[in-house]
Amino acid sequence: QSVLTQPPSASGTPGQRVTISCSGSSSNIGSNTVNWYQQLPGTAPKLLIYRNNQRPSGVPDRFSGSKSGTSASLAISGLQSEDEADYYCAAWDDSLNGVVFGGGTKLTVL
Amino acid sequence: QLQLQESGPGLVKPSETLSLTCTVSGGSISSSSYYWGWIRQPPGKGLEWIGSIYYSGSTYYNPSLKSRVTISVDTSKNQFSLKLSSVTAADTAVYYCARLNGGLSAFDIWGQGTMVTVSS
Repeated sequence: QSVLTQPPSASGTPGQRVTISCSGSSSNIGSNTVNWYQQLPGTAPKLLIYRNNQRPSGVPDRFSGSKSGTSASLAISGLQSEDEADYYCAAWDDSLNGVVFGGGTKLTVL
Repeated sequence: QLQLQESGPGLVKPSETLSLTCTVSGGSISSSSYYWGWIRQPPGKGLEWIGSIYYSGSTYYNPSLKSRVTISVDTSKNQFSLKLSSVTAADTAVYYCARLNGGLSAFDIWGQGTMVTVSS
């Protein structure tokens, strides 16, 4: 059971916009920034969004993040086949004094 | 560019200690801007943070693993290491080392990962 809650799956067709949610609590998302990681099949995770809504260089602006209260969301617009991957949210948890991850969302491009 | 590479045995017997090393190349592990961490992923499951270390030796551990985990750093070799004691089959996973960028508050560079199986 992960500290941060994500839907196990999401899907969309090419060109669509999809969102993935991440729900936490006051000790993690409510008081700290949220990061999102993309894990393509058979590869290591890659930082996709940091500090709620910032993109590292090289990440397309099709990817965007937001946070409100104790929840966060990742939005992917103009969905492409290469976006098919697992997506994880993460945040620092003040109660656990450590990093917590969501359980991951498998995105399927139909 | 900075790269991280995990190394260590791919097979560990139950009740023994899992030992892995992460070698940092293309940059210094002693930079004040970064922590260094270990994250694992059991087959078909999600990511779990194990712990992080600063070049000075300061550590943070996952409370659920704290009693069995030791993370250390060797700045002379530009390496940091993980020891997980009393392993069971539940510790079978891909183990990743990663750089925790203080400016981003995120793991921004990851190693390729190494699979460790716990089995007799």
